[in-house]
Amino acid sequence: DAKTTQPPSMDCAEGRAANLPCNHSTISGNEYVYWYRQIHSQGPQYIIHGLKNNETNEMASLIITEDRKSSTLILPHATLRDTAVYYCIVRAEASYDKVIFGPGTSLSVIP
Amino acid sequence: NAGVTQTPKFQVLKTGQSMTLQCAQDMNHNSMYWYRQDPGMGLRLIYYSASEGTTDKGEVPNGYNVSRLNKREFSLRLESAAPSQTSVYFCASSIGQRSGGYTFGSGTRLTVV
Repeated sequence: DAKTTQPPSMDCAEGRAANLPCNHSTISGNEYVYWYRQIHSQGPQYIIHGLKNNETNEMASLIITEDRKSSTLILPHATLRDTAVYYCIVRAEASYDKVIFGPGTSLSVIP
Repeated sequence: NAGVTQTPKFQVLKTGQSMTLQCAQDMNHNSMYWYRQDPGMGLRLIYYSASEGTTDKGEVPNGYNVSRLNKREFSLRLESAAPSQTSVYFCASSIGQRSGGYTFGSGTRLTVV
């Protein structure tokens, strides 16, 4: 599986959009981009995933560049409850899978 | 729908003691995983089971054993606990084929003294 690179930390003002970047320059054609978050002391929570096209759900939007070498997770209106560590991972489509989580981005939403 | 259930939630062991961490999922997922998380280290994969009847080592398997008891259950055993195994342990499951996210349990906080 390809590796990802994320900034270690970011701040965002409450009510503003939080844009979390992720680089995955060695991503393969069959690898999906996944985003998870972990609120302090809880288990990680799945947010969204995509292959080529931009995706949106009730939690966030995922923007993947045309060359697929980077992506951005967008939380449109960040709240204090969005303060968490956000993990970007890439995962191949296969008959089985295992995922290695990197250190992620620690997002602090500031009042 | 409980998702992924881990037991116990907290445990204190003495060095050299053994114990088994239990994990069960009710989503009919094929794949299951054990991770440990230490401060500032992110999540590290210990063992995983791609499907019932198979298990494989992850990044940090030393000192652990696993059993995929059936499709629902995947246990992690510490035969002789060491202080270095003090950590938070998370179990996760996924469909295992095609795309699909992981569902994590709430974790087991283990302290070895």
